[in-house]
Amino acid sequence: AQKITQTQPGMFVQEKEAVTLDCTYDTSDQSYGLFWYKQPSSGEMIFLIYQGSYDEQNATEGRYSLNFQKARKSANLVISASQLGDSAMYFCAMREGWGSQGNLIFGKGTKLSVKP
Amino acid sequence: AAGVIQSPRHLIKEKRETATLKCYPIPRHDTVYWYQQGPGQDPQFLISFYEKMQSDKGSIPDRFSAQQFSDYHSELNMSSLELGDSALYFCASSSQTGILDSPLHFGNGTRLTVT
Repeated sequence: AQKITQTQPGMFVQEKEAVTLDCTYDTSDQSYGLFWYKQPSSGEMIFLIYQGSYDEQNATEGRYSLNFQKARKSANLVISASQLGDSAMYFCAMREGWGSQGNLIFGKGTKLSVKP
Repeated sequence: AAGVIQSPRHLIKEKRETATLKCYPIPRHDTVYWYQQGPGQDPQFLISFYEKMQSDKGSIPDRFSAQQFSDYHSELNMSSLELGDSALYFCASSSQTGILDSPLHFGNGTRLTVT
């Protein structure tokens, strides 16, 4: 079964508008971490934001925020005031528990296109 | 700030040849990871090293091997290359393995093309 599900293969957003990229996850661990990465067409993987399973508050990093709904097992990325440079592939990823040795499991990604 | 350095950036090999990819992690990071990303795919975990010892193994083919050296750099060795090995290979590093909030920092990747 997919551990990380990103149901939106592609999305369009108008410049300066906000956009939400969906991510749901599946784990039986109580301790886990959720990450979002951005991959522009140039290929590099850029860390954006992290949310821990025990964090009470939703994570925020500049224009990025994470809408964490633990009971629904969702960790949606919200990008406010979209910019043309936000056009990229976005991956949701999870690290499970303490025995995972730290590697991340990625979703299939969402390709975001920002229109001028 | 120093980032993860991978070399080469691009590599073209023929079927059945061998390839070696190199990775220099961020200084003082104790864990190195290798990922393979096929065209239009998500990154797939191959193998990781913690303090120079193999710590976890993912979907790494038997034709591939990796190691981490005393200076913490890592190499991914790929033999008997197949067309399906064409992909973007990422190295990533992090500190404090097992700590949930430690992100993986990725290099720019090596794009391997097998012809």
